[in-house]
Amino acid sequence: DAKTTQPPSMDCAEGRAANLPCNHSTISGNEYVYWYRQIHSQGPQYIIHGLKNNETNEMASLIITEDRKSSTLILPHATLRDTAVYYCIVRVPSGIKAAGNKLTFGGGTRVLVKP
Amino acid sequence: GAVVSQHPSWVICKSGTSVKIECRSLDFQATTMFWYRQFPKQSLMLMATSNEGSKATYEQGVEKDKFLINHASLTLSTLTVTSAHPEDSSFYICSARTQGASRPLHFGNGTRLTVT
Repeated sequence: DAKTTQPPSMDCAEGRAANLPCNHSTISGNEYVYWYRQIHSQGPQYIIHGLKNNETNEMASLIITEDRKSSTLILPHATLRDTAVYYCIVRVPSGIKAAGNKLTFGGGTRVLVKP
Repeated sequence: GAVVSQHPSWVICKSGTSVKIECRSLDFQATTMFWYRQFPKQSLMLMATSNEGSKATYEQGVEKDKFLINHASLTLSTLTVTSAHPEDSSFYICSARTQGASRPLHFGNGTRLTVT
């Protein structure tokens, strides 16, 4: 899986948009970008994923650059409950039994939403 | 959405005893599940891949005789920490994926193990 680089931490204001960057300059053509977050003492929570088109769901938006070497996760209106560690992961889609389904977690970005 | 349930959410045991952690996929079948371990202020580290009906695959450095994995059905995988020691105290998390090659993994809420 391609390696990702994220800033170790960032603060954002409650009610404002939070933009979380991720670099994946060695991403290959068939690798997807996945975002997860982990709130303290809980298991990771899936947020969103995409291949090359921008994606949006009820939690966030994912913007992937045209060359796919970086992406940005956007939390449109950050709340205090969005304080968490956010992980950007890239991987190749695999059959259900394939070991490629496993995810390799980097350090992530520790996001602190402040009132 | 897909739900993965872990039990127990926390456990305290004495050194030398064994502890079993269950991971269930509640609304989907999971032929493959993954077990992770997380120490304080660190990221998740993959321990092993649990395969339904066959042996688990362990990551380098993980003792298969200490961390026994059983995946007896399409909805249940168990991790048994045998002869636990204080250094095994950690946060253990399982995950599984629904059908569809690009579908995301879903994670349980973790089990905090404290060995005294």
